Amino acid sequence: DGGITQSPKYLFRKEGQNVTLSCEQNLNHDAMYWYRQDPGQGLRLIYYSQIVNDFQKGDIAEGYSVSREKKESFPLTVTSAQKNPTAFYLCASSTWTGTNYGYTFGSGTRLTVV
Amino acid sequence: AQSVTQLGSHVSVSEGALVLLRCNYSSSVPPYLFWYVQYPNQGLQLLLKYTSAATLVKGINGFEAEFKKSETSFHLTKPSAHMSDAAEYFCAVSDPGNYGGSQGNLIFGKGTKLSVKP
Repeated sequence: DGGITQSPKYLFRKEGQNVTLSCEQNLNHDAMYWYRQDPGQGLRLIYYSQIVNDFQKGDIAEGYSVSREKKESFPLTVTSAQKNPTAFYLCASSTWTGTNYGYTFGSGTRLTVV
Repeated sequence: AQSVTQLGSHVSVSEGALVLLRCNYSSSVPPYLFWYVQYPNQGLQLLLKYTSAATLVKGINGFEAEFKKSETSFHLTKPSAHMSDAAEYFCAVSDPGNYGGSQGNLIFGKGTKLSVKP
């Protein structure tokens, strides 16, 4: 079955460290997204990519970086510049054609600073 | 610009009671509308979506939502709550005329956390 795989499910980061969260999809979706979720704040868009080798900043891109070298993959790096990285991170992909249009989400990565 | 408002960040109902989660949107054209459910430490799962084929949309787990253009609403209901319905619910809207650009991105409400009392 097609879907989105996020790994790892739990990640611990030391102060000053960069960490990379993985997101892979086999849905053949063109667009992919990264969201950050904090209690009571809903979903906040970090970065999105509508096509390979292109991506755009979302509402809270500072301290994060992404790449989109392959259609299937959209990794997110949380850099040391992100001062408060502890959160739940969700990856999604989307299509607007066919009957299954809309977003599909991964199961999330919980990042904790230790 | 589109926006989504979910009234009530927390809703509590008794098991067996009606569930009503409110969602209002602003859009210049009839939008695509979605409801997602999120259980703790999991991703968002699609409950249902409005496709313009019918104003009353049935989803999974006994949920349904009615699109009311005059009220710009897409409220989610379930006749009888079950303990397993306790979760956070998100309403989302997209402008179907703007695929391929940032305007085609889904706009999410801030979520409503549903508690079900035994």
